[in-house]
Amino acid sequence: ETGVTQSPTHLIKTRGQQVTLRCSSQSGHNTVSWYQQALGQGPQFIFQYYREEENGRGNFPPRFSGLQFPNYSSELNVNALELDDSALYLCASSWDDGTGPEKLFFGSGTQLSVL
Amino acid sequence: QQQVKQSPQSLIVQKGGISIINCAYENTAFDYFPWYQQFPGKGPALLIAIRPDVSEKKEGRFTISFNKSAKQFSLHIMDSQPGDSATYFCAANTNAGKSTFGDGTTLTVKP
Repeated sequence: ETGVTQSPTHLIKTRGQQVTLRCSSQSGHNTVSWYQQALGQGPQFIFQYYREEENGRGNFPPRFSGLQFPNYSSELNVNALELDDSALYLCASSWDDGTGPEKLFFGSGTQLSVL
Repeated sequence: QQQVKQSPQSLIVQKGGISIINCAYENTAFDYFPWYQQFPGKGPALLIAIRPDVSEKKEGRFTISFNKSAKQFSLHIMDSQPGDSATYFCAANTNAGKSTFGDGTTLTVKP
């Protein structure tokens, strides 16, 4: 088991609503990445936070936003939910020594269903 | 544009056999190639990883073979066990640490 915890584990929302997912990083890690995993597919990179700043973004619209807090925990916010946002959302923490984080430690994810 | 292509989509192997999963990539900027194992209801867990300056890396029953010129790499699971039944993902990282994943291979090891 990694030390990455995510909450909630499951969530049901309706189209157009907003959602906030939370992640607590593994102790000692300073970088958090968020991934979206649709059923039967590999995780897709949403964005990464390093020292509270966004440090790279994948091909996701601006209604996907995030925060990283001083204790390195993180939130993923999704506005105006669409049916296609239904997926497993994974948080991964890692240590970046300035040369870039590599080894990702994933939480168990939040399963989001949009009806 | 899918930058990491993984095959096969599913694989059935007898206990004690060798499981082989292949991946191909396009972006030559990738410089770190991890493999992840994912069980139902869990997040992916790092299994083994390799850098492009090495052609092979072995950890226990798991071996990565890497062919830089062909832009291909593969995972070999020796002496496959029923407990190895899971979904396996290859990935490729840039030096910024953002991972591009393949679509996964569902491995079933029959007793």
